[in-house]
Amino acid sequence: QQPVQSPQAVILREGEDAVINCSSSKALYSVHWYRQKHGEAPVFLMILLKGGEQKGHEKISASFNEKKQQSSLYLTASQLSYSGTYFCGTETRETSGSRLTFGEGTQLTVNP
Amino acid sequence: DAGVIQSPRHEVTEMGQEVTLRCKPISGHNSLFWYRQTMMRGLELLIYFNNNVPIDDSGMPEDRFSAKMPNASFSTLKIQPSEPRDSAVYFCASSFIGAGLNQPQHFGDGTRLSIL
Repeated sequence: QQPVQSPQAVILREGEDAVINCSSSKALYSVHWYRQKHGEAPVFLMILLKGGEQKGHEKISASFNEKKQQSSLYLTASQLSYSGTYFCGTETRETSGSRLTFGEGTQLTVNP
Repeated sequence: DAGVIQSPRHEVTEMGQEVTLRCKPISGHNSLFWYRQTMMRGLELLIYFNNNVPIDDSGMPEDRFSAKMPNASFSTLKIQPSEPRDSAVYFCASSFIGAGLNQPQHFGDGTRLSIL
């Protein structure tokens, strides 16, 4: 089952903050975050593991609440280069083994 | 280091033709993933291999699609016969995984497929 991302789209001015949420109806073992620019491949940002950790990557950080089966991506003091579509990927365990399923994406536009 | 290499980058062909997409994973990675991306359905996992063995092919749309990984450095995704609804960008990704899928996936540049 595909995780649900919100919002679907967000427009910011340079320097503003944004939060992107990802939620699942299934138990999660890890959450991946990727960014994809138009016409390019998705690029890995970070992975959060079971244990409710929070990670940071310069001004981009994320949290994972395994009890709520949710993850959030925080972008602070946004830069023009942050524009793109952000995908969360949720790892679940199926009878066939582990599976990574991506959300529909959140389109982020940062304007000057 | 070379990333994931996919070929061709673009493919335009007529309905009914056989299409073969190719992927070379990052050396040392033990898993390979094939994804399809469309506006309507987003990024969908088609199949993934671990140590050259198909693990989860539940995302393969139908029998017209087949994937092989004859060795650790090469995989193909074949569509025969192709249909216009197969038009999409197909990505290959590789990773080094142990128990679970908790390692980064590295994506190739994709193959943009158009079936007329």
